[in-house]
Amino acid sequence: DTGVSQNPRHKITKRGQNVTFRCDPISEHNRLYWYRQTLGQGPEFLTYFQNEAQLEKSRLLSDRFSAERPKGSFSTLEIQRTEQGDSAMYLCASSPVGGQLLTEAFFGQGTRLTVV
Amino acid sequence: AQTVTQSQPEMSVQEAETVTLSCTYDTSESDYYLFWYKQPPSRQMILVIRQEAYKQQNATENRFSVNFQKAAKSFSLKISDSQLGDAAMYFCACDNAGNMLTFGGGTRLMVKP
Repeated sequence: DTGVSQNPRHKITKRGQNVTFRCDPISEHNRLYWYRQTLGQGPEFLTYFQNEAQLEKSRLLSDRFSAERPKGSFSTLEIQRTEQGDSAMYLCASSPVGGQLLTEAFFGQGTRLTVV
Repeated sequence: AQTVTQSQPEMSVQEAETVTLSCTYDTSESDYYLFWYKQPPSRQMILVIRQEAYKQQNATENRFSVNFQKAAKSFSLKISDSQLGDAAMYFCACDNAGNMLTFGGGTRLMVKP
């Protein structure tokens, strides 16, 4: 296992279409995070899972966004009816933390979404 | 809510010289962690250095060190003996709940040969 893997690396979609991204965390990392990063800005937290449970969601995560992590392994982030404002880099990260202590979060290379 | 501010959008340093990147933060929590992450162009973000707020001693990792001023809520990163490979976006981040990172807007570091 060489790190957090995200697919696809790039996605171009027409406005109104649905898209789905996948994240494969580092094996045995029980926490998985999704962040969104727009050009020239720092990443913004979207949601996180501990094992298969989605424990927190940001207000940035509108009803058009849904994330899942079946069986506590890989995760998917789906955006329905995409809008141009959804264009961004979507970053996934994982960490081995199990309690309140945050250890190092390992990031994937991200999926760059362009909505045209 | 917590906020992280990086007031330097861009910084430039001559190779082998030292540069300091600034970061201020605001949090109501007494127990939190601070981080500096490096994001090279088209590559994933990697952790540079981490500081636990309850530790008074400043963290050091090889050429990277921090100046943590808790009362001033300041967390600057010093890079010594700058190398061409240090060129990247640098993000300061804070975590106080163990649940998520709050990032600053980033500082683009350029290293001149």
